[in-house]
Amino acid sequence: SAVISQKPSRDICQRGTSLTIQCQVDSQVTMMFWYRQQPGQSLTLIATANQGSEATYESGFVIDKFPISRPNLTFSTLTVSNMSPEDSSIYLCSATGTGNSYEQYFGPGTRLTVT
Amino acid sequence: AQSVAQPEDQVNVAEGNPLTVKCTYSVSGNPYLFWYVQYPNRGLQFLLKYITGDNLVKGSYGFEAEFNKSQTSFHLKKPSALVSDSALYFCATLSYNQGGKLIFGQGTELSVKP
Repeated sequence: SAVISQKPSRDICQRGTSLTIQCQVDSQVTMMFWYRQQPGQSLTLIATANQGSEATYESGFVIDKFPISRPNLTFSTLTVSNMSPEDSSIYLCSATGTGNSYEQYFGPGTRLTVT
Repeated sequence: AQSVAQPEDQVNVAEGNPLTVKCTYSVSGNPYLFWYVQYPNRGLQFLLKYITGDNLVKGSYGFEAEFNKSQTSFHLKKPSALVSDSALYFCATLSYNQGGKLIFGQGTELSVKP
């Protein structure tokens, strides 16, 4: 299994600012994803982070608001831009390992509060 | 479109009793099904999966799930619940023709009382 770390674990930010969340995996993975989760609620996929190319965004999410980078097979960043209180949420990074296990592993999440 | 549904927002069980957390799926083709658990203020942890093979799948922490094709269900079970099993449980299916993304159910809060 892959171990995933995220930084920061939590942050309180002012509206209008931007925050970049980092996701590091301890082994090479094929797919990396970014999700958003309201506490106690289900997960909503923001985008698939593609290595060396633009991320693939889900309906309702755009690159200008959530720019994503994935410079190599073990690292990705998600930026939440021009934040508003509606962006307050938990942001989770996940990854699928190599091979055909289909298991997806999750980071501990970043709890973001926008004031 | 592929989806999973968890009909119960909350399940309450007494410690030592068997527990069941329900999940039904709507998938075209062969379903790839998963269960995840989320403890308070933690990320999701993988419990078990069904890809193919035996309908009864065993996973972590004594959990198991039964794949039932006729009922399109994949219920999570444990013979004897522990207080420490109290958490949020998610059923998910893999959209393998859409880049391998997971589609999650709405989650079921399991509460095990001593």
